[in-house]
Amino acid sequence: KNEVEQSPQNLTAQEGEFITINCSYSVGISALHWLQQHPGGGIVSLFMLSSGKKKHGRLIATINIQEKHSSLHITASHPRDSAVYICAVRTGTASKLTFGTGTRLQVTL
Amino acid sequence: DGGITQSPKYLFRKEGQNVTLSCEQNLNHDAMYWYRQDPGQGLRLIYYSQIVNDFQKGDIAEGYSVSREKKESFPLTVTSAQKNPTAFYLCASSSYGTGYGYTFGSGTRLTVV
Repeated sequence: KNEVEQSPQNLTAQEGEFITINCSYSVGISALHWLQQHPGGGIVSLFMLSSGKKKHGRLIATINIQEKHSSLHITASHPRDSAVYICAVRTGTASKLTFGTGTRLQVTL
Repeated sequence: DGGITQSPKYLFRKEGQNVTLSCEQNLNHDAMYWYRQDPGQGLRLIYYSQIVNDFQKGDIAEGYSVSREKKESFPLTVTSAQKNPTAFYLCASSSYGTGYGYTFGSGTRLTVV
């Protein structure tokens, strides 16, 4: 069993829909990252959080430390949101990350 | 603007040849990392370095080598000992000063024929 599990693996939505991507992890963590990978391959860091909730534009990330679960929400989705969204966790004092396998999102018109 | 530069974006090599992938950062980050990405799998750590002249093996270090002679640079050599080198390689950096916020490069897609 992977330490970081994401669901769903694939997601198709129509423009304007509210989207939720989930991430569950099995170890104690010091931080959780949400990343976005576009078709070209480069990765952009969206959020780093260790508690509560963060918001940036139409993106919202939440984390529940007790339940070892995080969600990434996209409000009013747009085709330019189409990408792979990756959850990653950092444990203890180490700086390296453990990654989930990603959620491929496609938003259609 | 600060960031990470990986080069080249695409690389083709013949089987049995060593190849070196470049990674340079101007963010003054202390730590640098190399990850490998294969279809359907999460990124896997190859090597990482938290300070100059020091580095540690990650989960899949066999067949790879690195050096960290300068803070800005962390090149990765894929040797002929790596059994399945065709993959997408990503370099990243982070700093304790940023709470270990990560910055990623744009990646190098290596194809060995």
